[in-house]
Amino acid sequence: AQKVTQAQTEISVVEKEDVTLDCVYETRDTTYYLFWYKQPPSGELVFLIRRNSFDEQNEISGRYSWNFQKSTSSFNFTITASQVVDSAVYFCALRYNQGGKLIFGQGTELSVKP
Amino acid sequence: EAGVAQSPRYKIIEKRQSVAFWCNPISGHATLYWYQQILGQGPKLLIQFQNNGVVDDSQLPKDRFSAERLKGVDSTLKIQPAKLEDSAVYLCASSLAGTGFNIQYFGAGTRLSVL
Repeated sequence: AQKVTQAQTEISVVEKEDVTLDCVYETRDTTYYLFWYKQPPSGELVFLIRRNSFDEQNEISGRYSWNFQKSTSSFNFTITASQVVDSAVYFCALRYNQGGKLIFGQGTELSVKP
Repeated sequence: EAGVAQSPRYKIIEKRQSVAFWCNPISGHATLYWYQQILGQGPKLLIQFQNNGVVDDSQLPKDRFSAERLKGVDSTLKIQPAKLEDSAVYLCASSLAGTGFNIQYFGAGTRLSVL
């Protein structure tokens, strides 16, 4: 069975703090894809990053970075020097190689206070 | 480039009434998805179209939900009759193709409240 677990339901930080959002996935497939989306209060899911199962290279994009570790089935997301605009619900998702639906975790609600 | 368009943004109905949601995907995107997002949960797929054919509707409650994508472009999702547990946000997404690495782009969703 395919499953995504985001154990942190809510996180609250003060602006400029670093924060890491955890994502653990389960799959029997050897080829799969992982995604992170951001859902601000407006409701639209905004794509942040995708990774295929053969690419364990970490990625940095500005204040955002992602750490993919197949050994622990984790794909964690770190925001450095958080800002109030980062406040949103963040979703990790898994997808089969053959395509089709995204399997989402429960989401982590991040609140960044000034 | 225009994003995924959905309407209406909000809808309030009473149980047993009917409701319809509309989605216009990004131009050129062959694959269209409808997801249901219940408050506090991640989105769950209801139905996936490839052009105007259904690829996956295994999670669609077919006794009350229906969807169509005529001409392989825009799509309509209907609920008839609605139940209280249908209160949720209905998200439409599209992608260039249905294979795994393709990015799904989402619309702003329709928030449905069933009273």
